[in-house]
Amino acid sequence: QVQLVQSGAEVREPGASVNVSCKTSGYTFTTYYILWVRQAPGQGLEWMGVIDPSSRTTVYAQQFRGRLTMTRDTSTGTVYMELSSLRSQDTAVYYCARRYGWGGDYWGQGTLVSVSS
Amino acid sequence: QSALTQPASVSVSPGQSITISCTGTSSDVGSYDLVSWYQQHPGKAPKMMIYAGSKRPSGVSDRFSGSKSGNTASLTISGLQAEDEADYYCSSYAGHSAVVFGGGTKLTVL
Repeated sequence: QVQLVQSGAEVREPGASVNVSCKTSGYTFTTYYILWVRQAPGQGLEWMGVIDPSSRTTVYAQQFRGRLTMTRDTSTGTVYMELSSLRSQDTAVYYCARRYGWGGDYWGQGTLVSVSS
Repeated sequence: QSALTQPASVSVSPGQSITISCTGTSSDVGSYDLVSWYQQHPGKAPKMMIYAGSKRPSGVSDRFSGSKSGNTASLTISGLQAEDEADYYCSSYAGHSAVVFGGGTKLTVL
């Protein structure tokens, strides 16, 4: 069965970086793009960007350009999302999902990233 | 891109039907049949209910349906049940490989 398993919660100080992993299984890794979405406490969903695991091509939402990097490891079927220059407004649950029809059909369990001094 | 517009909340009695709207622009909803709808229960990851405007993923109840008219997409839930109480989000392809979400709608089953 298709599964996306994310790394655990993280706490960072303002200005630091965080790296969240998303390990996939149950399907051919290079066949589907992986997207990242975040959700601040009590707020809605925000699309961050997408990576093509086959070509490593990435597209980032404009508000994250310069701070966001998505990479992948085809040997383990894992995608990574690194966000730098963290500020308190980046406190959120970060989700990865397998892209299907420009949506996400299978989702990770979410990773809480807390940014606080 | 600006977020798609959804009603903040809706409420309905069990057994009734409800339609949740998602209004975008001619640059996103109006230009593509690529709207997805998600159901999210508290503390859980979103679950895809509709993709490509009106298609249901395997395992999703046929009580859920999607449609579009102009720049507005809609999610209709018929025969509402207590378990349908959740937050619902729409998203749309917005060109240049980007996606935009709606602000979300809290559905209360009275």
